[in-house]
Amino acid sequence: DAGVIQSPRHEVTEMGQEVTLRCKPISGHNSLFWYRQTMMRGLELLIYFNNNVPIDDSGMPEDRFSAKMPNASFSTLKIQPSEPRDSAVYFCASTSGGAGELFFGEGSRLTVL
Amino acid sequence: GNSVTQMEGPVTLSEEAFLTINCTYTATGYPSLFWYVQYPGEGLQLLLKATKADDKGSNKGFEATYRKETTSFHLEKGSVQVSDSAVYFCARRSASGGSYIPTFGRGTSLIVHP
Repeated sequence: DAGVIQSPRHEVTEMGQEVTLRCKPISGHNSLFWYRQTMMRGLELLIYFNNNVPIDDSGMPEDRFSAKMPNASFSTLKIQPSEPRDSAVYFCASTSGGAGELFFGEGSRLTVL
Repeated sequence: GNSVTQMEGPVTLSEEAFLTINCTYTATGYPSLFWYVQYPGEGLQLLLKATKADDKGSNKGFEATYRKETTSFHLEKGSVQVSDSAVYFCARRSASGGSYIPTFGRGTSLIVHP
């Protein structure tokens, strides 16, 4: 079975450029989460969606970050303009209803020079 | 608010040693509790879980018991292997406003030497 699929796996870009990270959740899952992982701050929840609707985006660092989920099988996290402090691994995770486990993608490692 | 606190690492052990990684959680509501493991270069994956008090989750020789009286969910393994070297995350998940919000600890790095 296909798990959560993220792309790209690695992205190196220069400060000021736009970055778009993509996620395909597991089919049938109705909740999707975007996390950022760094050594300094650990795993941070950025935003999560229920049934394609953003429920809580209080973890989004600032207006440079935006996320969309146009349908049940696709979500994007966009950073515009990117800054070196955005360098991190970004994870997408999905789950079905209730208090069950999250299924994580393999992450997108972003380096902003 | 909801929070999870786990011991700081790294934890360094020799192969076949006994492992304990402590985890405590805030007692708000009736959360489900989880341990996730992250191997280098990979995403987090579920190791074990428990959904109510006194439940014991187990997998791959790891165990953790949901202790409501001490609000703890400590991870244990009787004999670790080099292949267990990874980062371990304790997490809770409970209903809040109709949505199940997961909360993760900071992660504990485990290094097992041959």
